[in-house]
Amino acid sequence: SAVISQKPSRDICQRGTSLTIQCQVDSQVTMMFWYRQQPGQSLTLIATANQGSEATYESGFVIDKFPISRPNLTFSTLTVSNMSPEDSSIYLCSVGPGSGNTIYFGEGSWLTVV
Amino acid sequence: AQSVTQLGSHVSVSEGALVLLRCNYSSSVPPYLFWYVQYPNQGLQLLLKYTSAATLVKGINGFEAEFKKSETSFHLTKPSAHMSDAAEYFCAVSPAAGRRALTFGSGTRLQVQP
Repeated sequence: SAVISQKPSRDICQRGTSLTIQCQVDSQVTMMFWYRQQPGQSLTLIATANQGSEATYESGFVIDKFPISRPNLTFSTLTVSNMSPEDSSIYLCSVGPGSGNTIYFGEGSWLTVV
Repeated sequence: AQSVTQLGSHVSVSEGALVLLRCNYSSSVPPYLFWYVQYPNQGLQLLLKYTSAATLVKGINGFEAEFKKSETSFHLTKPSAHMSDAAEYFCAVSPAAGRRALTFGSGTRLQVQP
């Protein structure tokens, strides 16, 4: 199984600032994804992080707000730019497919914007 | 295109009773199906998955689910609920090939009464 480390695990941020979340995997993975889970809600896919090229964003998410990098097969970053209270969410990194077509999740980064 | 419908945002059972959490999916391609559990203030944990092998899938903590193509369903069951099963449960679907991004249902909160 893949072990995923996300940093920071929690943070409280001032509105108008930006925060970069890191996702490190202990093995090379084909696919990396970023999800958002707003309070009391389900998970929504933000984008697919593509190695060496621009991320593929889902409807409703744009690169200016959520720039993503993926310099290699084990690491990706998601930046939440110009934050507002509406950005208070859990941001989760996901990788796969692993053994048995499993999709793995990190523990999440819990962001509160004040 | 794919989607997941979880019937019942809240389910309450007595300790020792049968747990049944419903999940119906829609997918234009052969799907893989997953159940994840999220305990309070924690990340996602994979309970079980269907990836085109046996249609009856056994997972962790005594849970199982049956893939029924004719009913487009993947309901989660456990014969006897335990207090520790209280959590949020998410059903998710992904394509069996290509980009394996997950589409999540809205989630079902399971309460277990003593």
